[in-house]
Amino acid sequence: NAGVTQTPKFQVLKTGQSMTLQCAQDMNHNSMYWYRQDPGMGLRLIYYSASEGTTDKGEVPNGYNVSRLNKREFSLRLESAAPSQTSVYFCASRQPGFNYEQYFGPGTRLTVT
Amino acid sequence: GENVEQHPSTLSVQEGDSAVIKCTYSDSASNYFPWYKQELGKGPQLIIDIRSNVGEKKDQRIAVTLNKTAKHFSLHITETQPEDSAVYFCAAIPTDSWGKLQFGAGTQVVVTP
Repeated sequence: NAGVTQTPKFQVLKTGQSMTLQCAQDMNHNSMYWYRQDPGMGLRLIYYSASEGTTDKGEVPNGYNVSRLNKREFSLRLESAAPSQTSVYFCASRQPGFNYEQYFGPGTRLTVT
Repeated sequence: GENVEQHPSTLSVQEGDSAVIKCTYSDSASNYFPWYKQELGKGPQLIIDIRSNVGEKKDQRIAVTLNKTAKHFSLHITETQPEDSAVYFCAAIPTDSWGKLQFGAGTQVVVTP
């Protein structure tokens, strides 16, 4: 039981390049989330998927797109990377209901030069 | 929307002493307040949470208190140990937000032997 996995762990991009961050969970959770973490700003929600087939914008969605490929997988795409997108990205999942706990992956550290 | 402020940003304590982190929130509709611990190089992990119908909750050396009238909640760690060194995040969530957490900026706790 791996929980939430993310690939890659590290990535360096040049401005204008594109890439997709992958996230998968094996806990059969319905909801999945993408956050970015920047120094002094905590974690900010980029996009979320309340259930398979639905996605919605969070607090900082500009410059990103997401795909809920199936119940297990939720990917985050940067179409044209910018230095402002240098950050650590975390994926999380949760089973909706009375328990609000979110389970986080280990993160992807992205640098855009 | 919800806004969560967290203080202090860094906290240095002697092993065996207590540590207290305080958070305030703005949305009176928020009713779930989790605390996450993030160790170096890892994703955040839930350590304790409290709901709005409870004033205090304890789990061994950690406790959380909630004052709904003043809209603030606090994390208390007693008898601190070196393994308590980490970044701690508070968060708040209204019930109808599809589990979207609004995080504080985080507190770096350093426990010195």
